[in-house]
Amino acid sequence: LAKTTQPISMDSYEGQEVNITCSHNNIATNDYITWYQQFPSQGPRFIIQGYKTKVTNEVASLFIPADRKSSTLSLPRVSLSDTAVYYCLVGDMPISGGYNKLIFGAGTRLAVHP
Amino acid sequence: DGGITQSPKYLFRKEGQNVTLSCEQNLNHDAMYWYRQDPGQGLRLIYYSQIVNDFQKGDIAEGYSVSREKKESFPLTVTSAQKNPTAFYLCASSTSDLRGNTIYFGEGSWLTVV
Repeated sequence: LAKTTQPISMDSYEGQEVNITCSHNNIATNDYITWYQQFPSQGPRFIIQGYKTKVTNEVASLFIPADRKSSTLSLPRVSLSDTAVYYCLVGDMPISGGYNKLIFGAGTRLAVHP
Repeated sequence: DGGITQSPKYLFRKEGQNVTLSCEQNLNHDAMYWYRQDPGQGLRLIYYSQIVNDFQKGDIAEGYSVSREKKESFPLTVTSAQKNPTAFYLCASSTSDLRGNTIYFGEGSWLTVV
């Protein structure tokens, strides 16, 4: 299983761009990288997913270098409502006769200030 | 609407009692998961199930039990053997591979020992 490492916390201000980096040195060839956002007392929700290079959606961008040993979630122009915990997840792809096992790291606690 | 339903949202347990948390999904997902989250901490995997009538222990299975008699249901029992059960419990489900937005979480259940 690929273990992930993220900063414990980050601070930003409204209107700024925030970049959160996740290290996953042991990522497997078939693994995808997925980011989730969690607000207090709620279940995590999907933000973005990628395999290599760059992925962009209406919420964020995900940058993955060629070696795939890390990834960076980029949130453009954050607002107070972006204050949450962000998790980087590297999927354990199913193998013949095996099981999926979703492992979340500790996450990054982002605080956006006025 | 499709989704995952957890119940109850809040539950109080006396010491020495077993309690069962319900998790139901109508997404036709094969895999289901239970996580525990302590205040200010990340998610820790308790149990997971890939198919009906089969499940595997996660990282913190001691003091918990599950069953998977139906594809759509994955109840979690917190037994009296769990010495510190007060926490936020999250149920999730996914398809067999992790590509795309295929992991869904319930809204969570708060368990408090009184």
